[in-house]
Amino acid sequence: KNEVEQSPQNLTAQEGEFITINCSYSVGISALHWLQQHPGGGIVSLFMLSSGKKKHGRLIATINIQEKHSSLHITASHPRDSAVYICAVDGNFGNEKLTFGTGTRLTIIP
Amino acid sequence: DVKVTQSSRYLVKRTGEKVFLECVQDMDHENMFWYRQDPGLGLRLIYFSYDVKMKEKGDIPEGYSVSREKKERFSLILESASTNQTSMYLCASSLDGGASRPQHFGDGTRLSIL
Repeated sequence: KNEVEQSPQNLTAQEGEFITINCSYSVGISALHWLQQHPGGGIVSLFMLSSGKKKHGRLIATINIQEKHSSLHITASHPRDSAVYICAVDGNFGNEKLTFGTGTRLTIIP
Repeated sequence: DVKVTQSSRYLVKRTGEKVFLECVQDMDHENMFWYRQDPGLGLRLIYFSYDVKMKEKGDIPEGYSVSREKKERFSLILESASTNQTSMYLCASSLDGGASRPQHFGDGTRLSIL
């Protein structure tokens, strides 16, 4: 079973700061997902990537397959970015199961 | 946009009751999932279904069962609710394909068992 670790567990930053959240996993994967969960519970899929880098607005996700590591970056952070960010990996077994990290709680102070 | 709808946002039940959590998706997705989310543990898979009437156990199926009679609806059943089943329950769906597909989540049901 894959182990997924995220760091930091909690992060507080000032508005405008550049944010980095890290995710490491232990076993080879077919894809890695970054998810966002706002207070109240709903989860939104931000990125799914298997190599390289993806960008959407102020969010950038990168993955290094050899090092089994991914990062989620937020540029020019804003209070509305405050949420829990969750990393999940898709096993290399051709099924649909995800293994989730425990999340990083991000708080952006105005 | 994919819409995954869970029947209740908040639910309070008593120990021993049979509890039904309903989930409906509107995008003809083959796969549907039930997770529970607890502080410090992340999301854990209870059951998933890859087709009508098909189901597979996830990581923590004990005390739960599921039903998928129609493609759009996936129900989670707590046969005899216990206090350790107090949790946030999340439903998700995705397209089939074997390879990775993004999962689309509902808003969650916060279940309290008294």
